[in-house]
Amino acid sequence: EAQVTQNPRYLITVTGKKLTVTCSQNMNHEYMSWYRQDPGLGLRQIYYSMNVEVTDKGDVPEGYKVSRKEKRNFPLILESPSPNQTSLYFCASSGRPARGETQYFGPGTRLLVL
Amino acid sequence: GDSVTQMEGPVTLSEEAFLTINCTYTATGYPSLFWYVQYPGEGLQLLLKATKADDKGSNKGFEATYRKETTSFHLEKGSVQVSDSAVYFCAPDTGRRALTFGSGTRLQVQP
Repeated sequence: EAQVTQNPRYLITVTGKKLTVTCSQNMNHEYMSWYRQDPGLGLRQIYYSMNVEVTDKGDVPEGYKVSRKEKRNFPLILESPSPNQTSLYFCASSGRPARGETQYFGPGTRLLVL
Repeated sequence: GDSVTQMEGPVTLSEEAFLTINCTYTATGYPSLFWYVQYPGEGLQLLLKATKADDKGSNKGFEATYRKETTSFHLEKGSVQVSDSAVYFCAPDTGRRALTFGSGTRLQVQP
């Protein structure tokens, strides 16, 4: 089954404690990205990756890091989480960032930073 | 930059009512247009799309027509069901780095 998986699905942590949210896709997609969803703000892109070892900032990259060492994985790293990073996070992938390509989303990771 | 305007929610309807969710966008070039749906507790999934002017996307009884002249992509359904309760996102894709999402419209369908 074609899918994007994220782990963990729920996470409660404290300010400053480094964490990683994993994302994996089994569709051999080149393009992957991370979004955060906040009430009234829709989805905002954090980082994206066009291919292995190619990453770039989205609209709200501050406080986040990513890496793309393998095509299927695109982890999101919060080196020193803060309460304003409390949010719902989605990973997405598609064949290429071109017109008409459907993006496939993971189930989401709900993060609470105390 | 690219932007999307969706009608504010929540939209509350009775079962079998007609649904319209308005979406207008600004984007350079000729974007593909998408509607994504988010059911409670789940990620987003594609509902329908249209890739060129006057195309009509359709799925699960929902329809939307790509109107280039009005830069709109309104979502419609003739008879909603309780199971359609979800958040709906309009999103143009200009082929750059990401979709541009609207803020989403929550639909609540009452039996």
